[in-house]
Amino acid sequence: DAKTTQPPSMDCAEGRAANLPCNHSTISGNEYVYWYRQIHSQGPQYIIHGLKNNETNEMASLIITEDRKSSTLILPHATLRDTAVYYCIVEAGSARQLTFGSGTQLTVLP
Amino acid sequence: GAGVSQSPRYKVTKRGQDVALRCDPISGHVSLYWYRQALGQGPEFLTYFNYEAQQDKSGLPNDRFSAERPEGSISTLTIQRTEQRDSAMYRCASSPRHLGSSGGLYEQYFGPGTRLTVT
Repeated sequence: DAKTTQPPSMDCAEGRAANLPCNHSTISGNEYVYWYRQIHSQGPQYIIHGLKNNETNEMASLIITEDRKSSTLILPHATLRDTAVYYCIVEAGSARQLTFGSGTQLTVLP
Repeated sequence: GAGVSQSPRYKVTKRGQDVALRCDPISGHVSLYWYRQALGQGPEFLTYFNYEAQQDKSGLPNDRFSAERPEGSISTLTIQRTEQRDSAMYRCASSPRHLGSSGGLYEQYFGPGTRLTVT
């Protein structure tokens, strides 16, 4: 059973904020939300993670709803180089592996 | 510093041949993972090492697939008697943390992958 649901594709104008949603209605109390992205044929790249508080780093912000059933990854000023497949992953902190779904193909348009 | 490296980057082999794919993780990383990725899909877990111990091989599709990490650093994924359905991108990832570490961060660093084509 898929733990997360993401839209298959989204477009965003260059310089604008990209808001990528993820539903994880069956998340349990000890599971974290991770975001990775994969640019073209490169290996996946870690972006950010969170448990229940909102998080921000140099790449992005992660907003998790109070009931933790959904989250949004925000790229504040999208560039063409942010075009990639973005994966939302829900796993326990001691997970052995990452379970990737289908992700969202984000296309940043000039 | 150097990231995860994999070799060869591309491998074409004939059906029935054995292949060995190598992964050199980031220095000092204790955890090492192998994933397989089909075109247009996300990576799929194959196996996991904590130092030299293979602690999870539940993702290996059958007994033609095996992996080792004898000294807790470089790892080799071996596929015996390759079949066309084995064609895929094989990715290795490493992590400084190991199963049981406290905290939620379980960041994995991925290598560039080996593109395997079985003809």
